Amino acid sequence: QVQVRESGPGLVKPSETLSLTCAVSGYSISSGYYWGWIRQSPGKGLEWIGYIYLSGSTYYNPSLNSRVAMSLDKTKKQFSLRLTSVTAADTAVYYCVRDRQLGVIDLWGQGTLVTVSS
Amino acid sequence: DIQMTQSPSSLSASVGDSVTITCQASQDISNDLNWYQQKPGKAPRLLIYDVSNLEEGVPSRFRGSRSGTDFTFTITSLQPEDIAIYYCQHYDNLPSLTFGPGTKVDLK
Repeated sequence: QVQVRESGPGLVKPSETLSLTCAVSGYSISSGYYWGWIRQSPGKGLEWIGYIYLSGSTYYNPSLNSRVAMSLDKTKKQFSLRLTSVTAADTAVYYCVRDRQLGVIDLWGQGTLVTVSS
Repeated sequence: DIQMTQSPSSLSASVGDSVTITCQASQDISNDLNWYQQKPGKAPRLLIYDVSNLEEGVPSRFRGSRSGTDFTFTITSLQPEDIAIYYCQHYDNLPSLTFGPGTKVDLK
């Protein structure tokens, strides 16, 4: 059974960097698909953050582009998100996901709440 | 940028009712439209992809269709376990992937 699972700090201070990792089990990242992150602010809708492909190519939401970086570690079967200069507006549940068809997100992690607060 | 509007924002229906949600695109988006279900405290779940294709394991009471730039999601016979928020989602050429604002479905 293919699963993805987020991990990382649940509390980040304003102006610092949010870092999350997603562990993939039951599937080889090297086999393909896009891997990425989506977030959901409390009581709000879903916002796409970006994707990384197995080649290392990255695609980011233009609204976050200057602050986002994603990386992929095939040997560790995981991928990561870094979001710099965070503010309270970045407080959200962050989901790592798999996209099997560019736009068809067929696998979601359980989500991890990240709160930005001093 | 393509904008997605979704209506209604919420609805109440009885068990067995047919429920319809509409998602409208600001321009032609071909068949790049998917539907997700999100239950409280859970991650979203893919129900329908490419307008009308049922994801594996999803009950057949969930259906999707298209008429021009209007996309319709239907639950043909609402069940108690269908109480959730439903989102339409569109993908354009990267980097552009957007979700509708969601429709909350409650039991009357």
